[in-house]
Amino acid sequence: AQTVTQSQPEMSVQEAETVTLSCTYDTSESDYYLFWYKQPPSRQMILVIRQEAYKQQNATENRFSVNFQKAAKSFSLKISDSQLGDAAMYFCAYRSVNPSGTYKYIFGTGTRLKVLA
Amino acid sequence: GAGVSQSPRYKVTKRGQDVTLRCDPISSHATLYWYQQALGQGPEFLTYFNYEAQPDKSGLPSDRFSAERPEGSISTLTIQRTEQRDSAMYRCASSLLVNTEAFFGQGTRLTVV
Repeated sequence: AQTVTQSQPEMSVQEAETVTLSCTYDTSESDYYLFWYKQPPSRQMILVIRQEAYKQQNATENRFSVNFQKAAKSFSLKISDSQLGDAAMYFCAYRSVNPSGTYKYIFGTGTRLKVLA
Repeated sequence: GAGVSQSPRYKVTKRGQDVTLRCDPISSHATLYWYQQALGQGPEFLTYFNYEAQPDKSGLPSDRFSAERPEGSISTLTIQRTEQRDSAMYRCASSLLVNTEAFFGQGTRLTVV
């Protein structure tokens, strides 16, 4: 069974600085998707970025980028030029692409990011 | 619709009562997921539908939990004989196809007193 681990319950970053949130996962599958979701105080679930495992190039979305290390099963999120609006809970998630498997998302326990003015 | 809509947003119920939560997915989305999120935790998978079929309900914690999607669009999640441990945020998500990105609703916060 797949698992997702976020070992940092809470992180802080100064406004305009860069922060990296860690995520590791375990799977025996060779192809899958990885995601980072943001959950602000409103408790919405907002997709930040996604990565297909077969793609070697790291995904980037504006100030958000990932460092995907497939062999190490690591998927960290880097937030550059942090803004107050980035303060939220961040969840790492895994999803299988195996047609014979389930397509459920498996989430980590989350990292609470605080942005200091 | 424009997004995934869940109702009610908040529900308080007495222990032992049955509750039904509703999810209205994005129009034409084939796949619909239900998740349970306890406070301070990540969402935990309950079940999902592909149209009206329910290929995986392995995450339902007990037989008190059931979900339906009879016409392949709106879905309901029913919890019978609620217990305090059922208190959580229940999230629905939908995706166009089973292997495409899922969009989450705002959730229903259930409190069992």
